[in-house]
Amino acid sequence: KAGVTQTPRYLIKTRGQQVTLSCSPISGHRSVSWYQQTPGQGLQFLFEYFSETQRNKGNFPGRFSGRQFSNSRSEMNVSTLELGDSALYLCASSRGSGVTDTQYFGPGTRLTVL
Amino acid sequence: DAKTTQPTSMDCAEGRAANLPCNHSTISGNEYVYWYRQIHSQGPQYIIHGLKNNETNEMASLIITEDRKSSTLILPHATLRDTAVYYCIVRVLNRDDKIIFGKGTRLHILP
Repeated sequence: KAGVTQTPRYLIKTRGQQVTLSCSPISGHRSVSWYQQTPGQGLQFLFEYFSETQRNKGNFPGRFSGRQFSNSRSEMNVSTLELGDSALYLCASSRGSGVTDTQYFGPGTRLTVL
Repeated sequence: DAKTTQPTSMDCAEGRAANLPCNHSTISGNEYVYWYRQIHSQGPQYIIHGLKNNETNEMASLIITEDRKSSTLILPHATLRDTAVYYCIVRVLNRDDKIIFGKGTRLHILP
């Protein structure tokens, strides 16, 4: 079974631009979560989508948004990019959104903001 | 804030068992303990999870103390490919129902 895929793998943007990242979950998985990872901070939760609805949201500004499509694919958008947005953005999928639903992570998209 | 504490780093000789500790003293009765690892520049990889019984799979064993306030991940025969950051996570059951990652343990496997 194919794993979680994320595109693009690498991205370079400048301050003020906006960016869209894409995540395709494992077939049959309906939950997609997004995380930001920066050096020294570990993984920080952004938001989770289940059946096209945002279920949970972390403590990030409104510049960070997302959506999920009927095929469970998800996109994350960051508007008005700041230097501090440079990070590895990880997507994780799971069959459901319950505590026993194991999350499987994609390889991530490394975003560099200049 | 993460609900777990782990040592910042550990060393283990290749071929020996690597024992990674994790404290989760405020864990609730229905919260699971999950372990992930992240090899440099890759996404986190699921290893194992458990509630209160010890668990074993093809990758590792998870030993949870009887009071559930701590656990140990055991890699029985560590190889160089096991060099990674290991995250111990307690699945938080609050209204946000999200996973909170801490800083993890950087495990170095020494040849």
